[in-house]
Amino acid sequence: EPEVTQTPSHQVTQMGQEVILRCVPISNHLYFYWYRQILGQKVEFLVSFYNNEISEKSEIFDDQFSVERPDGSNFTLKIRSTKLEDSAMYFCASSPNPYEAGDYEQYFGPGTRLTVT
Amino acid sequence: AQSVTQLDSQVPVFEEAPVELRCNYSSSVSVYLFWYVQYPNQGLQLLLKYLSGSTLVKGINGFEAEFNKSQTSFHLRKPSVHISDTAEYFCAVSPGFSGGYNKLIFGAGTRLAVHP
Repeated sequence: EPEVTQTPSHQVTQMGQEVILRCVPISNHLYFYWYRQILGQKVEFLVSFYNNEISEKSEIFDDQFSVERPDGSNFTLKIRSTKLEDSAMYFCASSPNPYEAGDYEQYFGPGTRLTVT
Repeated sequence: AQSVTQLDSQVPVFEEAPVELRCNYSSSVSVYLFWYVQYPNQGLQLLLKYLSGSTLVKGINGFEAEFNKSQTSFHLRKPSVHISDTAEYFCAVSPGFSGGYNKLIFGAGTRLAVHP
């Protein structure tokens, strides 16, 4: 069964450094998302991406964050200058075109745990 | 704006007992409703979803949920739990697919702990 993959599983970085979190969505999916979960808290929406542009972003997704689909298979989240409060589990998700698939499910990857020291 | 409240942060239960995990939502528009499960050190897996139609939806692993529009609830139930059901359960709502996106708004989660 196809699945969303994410690399790395765990990333440790120093405050102020740039990090890139990578995701490979399911191949025929068209909609891509990033969520984060700070330890012990709820899963929060960061951004959605469709047709090579951001569809919606949350208040959390400020100028320090960016997303890209560089090669038609990968979907990346970049944090330009990490802060301690960026420490969290970051989940990538993808979904098919619901009008074709009749499917509104978002398929989640296993997550990348980002630790900022 | 939509929001989700999961009324119990933790639910301890004995194996083979029934369980109900409660979820209430608020929204001024029609929503789609989901329950996801997160096993330790894993990602989120869809248990079940309500999009339209029958208010009782059945999912994987013997779980079911009932959509109650008047009470704005979507409680998750299982008649007999197993040790392997121990996990974090998240209720989520979506305002629907519009403009090419479909964000999920999650509740805080309920930790189900099944004891032998």
